[in-house]
Amino acid sequence: AQSVSQHNHHVILSEAASLELGCNYSYGGTVNLFWYVQYPGQHLQLLLKYFSGDPLVKGIKGFEAEFIKSKFSFNLRKPSVQWSDTAEYFCAVNPIFQKLVFGTGTRLLVSP
Amino acid sequence: DGGITQSPKYLFRKEGQNVTLSCEQNLNHDAMYWYRQDPGQGLRLIYYSQIVNDFQKGDIAEGYSVSREKKESFPLTVTSAQKNPTAFYLCATSVGYASGANVLTFGAGSRLTVL
Repeated sequence: AQSVSQHNHHVILSEAASLELGCNYSYGGTVNLFWYVQYPGQHLQLLLKYFSGDPLVKGIKGFEAEFIKSKFSFNLRKPSVQWSDTAEYFCAVNPIFQKLVFGTGTRLLVSP
Repeated sequence: DGGITQSPKYLFRKEGQNVTLSCEQNLNHDAMYWYRQDPGQGLRLIYYSQIVNDFQKGDIAEGYSVSREKKESFPLTVTSAQKNPTAFYLCATSVGYASGANVLTFGAGSRLTVL
């Protein structure tokens, strides 16, 4: 069965630091890729998605992610984090004609 | 104000009791989903429904049941057969059920604690 790996379970950064959260998947066929975010006390919401085209996708709040097919990766990045980015981040992979699979999540804490 | 309403937000039950979690949406989305969120395990799919009067098992359907009698509603029953029911339950919707291209909208969740 396909799996989605988020290697960093907890990340602590200071404000203005750069962020990169890893996401790797095991499925070899065509996939659609997502990052969802859950801010404290808020609904889980879509941060960005990749279906096709430019492998560098931009999302809300200055986040971006790069799809590297050869590495089966879809890492999330932000050049300079803010305290308000404190949240849990979930990578999700949807192989075509199969069900969406979520990673285990990464809790990010940004200290002011 | 369009969205997904889950109720109750918090629920405590004794072992052996069935409980039903409500999920109502006014987004006019065809597809609805139930996920279970446990710390360190991400989100796992319990059941999903592509259309009214139809639903399919997800990855962890044992001990759960659902119905989809109306487009707006997709209640989840956690039965006494579910061995470890204490968890945070999330309802989600998508416009349709395209194979691989479903952007999900989530409700606020229901936290069930079994004593």
